[in-house]
Amino acid sequence: QKEVEQDPGPLSVPEGAIVSLNCTYSNSAFQYFMWYRQYSRKGPELLMYTYSSGNKEDGRFTAQVDKSSKYISLFIRDSQPSDSATYLCAMSPNTGNQFYFGTGTSLTVIP
Amino acid sequence: DSGVTQTPKHLITATGQRVTLRCSPRSGDLSVYWYQQSLDQGLQFLIQYYNGEERAKGNILERFSAQQFPDLHSELNLSSLELGDSALYFCASSDGTGGDTQYFGPGTRLTVL
Repeated sequence: QKEVEQDPGPLSVPEGAIVSLNCTYSNSAFQYFMWYRQYSRKGPELLMYTYSSGNKEDGRFTAQVDKSSKYISLFIRDSQPSDSATYLCAMSPNTGNQFYFGTGTSLTVIP
Repeated sequence: DSGVTQTPKHLITATGQRVTLRCSPRSGDLSVYWYQQSLDQGLQFLIQYYNGEERAKGNILERFSAQQFPDLHSELNLSSLELGDSALYFCASSDGTGGDTQYFGPGTRLTVL
């Protein structure tokens, strides 16, 4: 079993839709959770960073962590064509430690 | 711009050859991480250095090696290259302290012919 599981998609939505992206994990030691956005073959760009359980909002993006279910989500409101990218979840047990990445979900927002 | 730089951007070489990829971390960051991303594959963690010392090792082949220098830049050496080594190689850096996260460079695209 992989440490981090992520549905690869692809996911296609109309502009303005709410997008939900998810990851599950098996290691209960994970405490730090990140979402990265990667445009085609470019370097991943950090979107959201959360510690432990709870919600965090930044503009149109909301990250949720449910440690009891070992499940994290990223919601994108009012999706735009510019949001079309691959979204990678990542997590770590402790600071300065190795990050464990999901395989990424490919999202296309259709104008 | 993440502040992490990688050179070269593209590299084309032949099987059996050796190449060196270079990474300069963000100013103030002590940790450097190397990742490999093949077509349709996720990011595969290779190795991490912190302030010149190896901290963690992932799925790094014996043909690959890395080091971090006193000025904190890092090099990833790939030898006896095979066709399957063709991939994007990313470097990331972090400050290595509480609450840190990783910032990625633009990557080096390696093509082995």
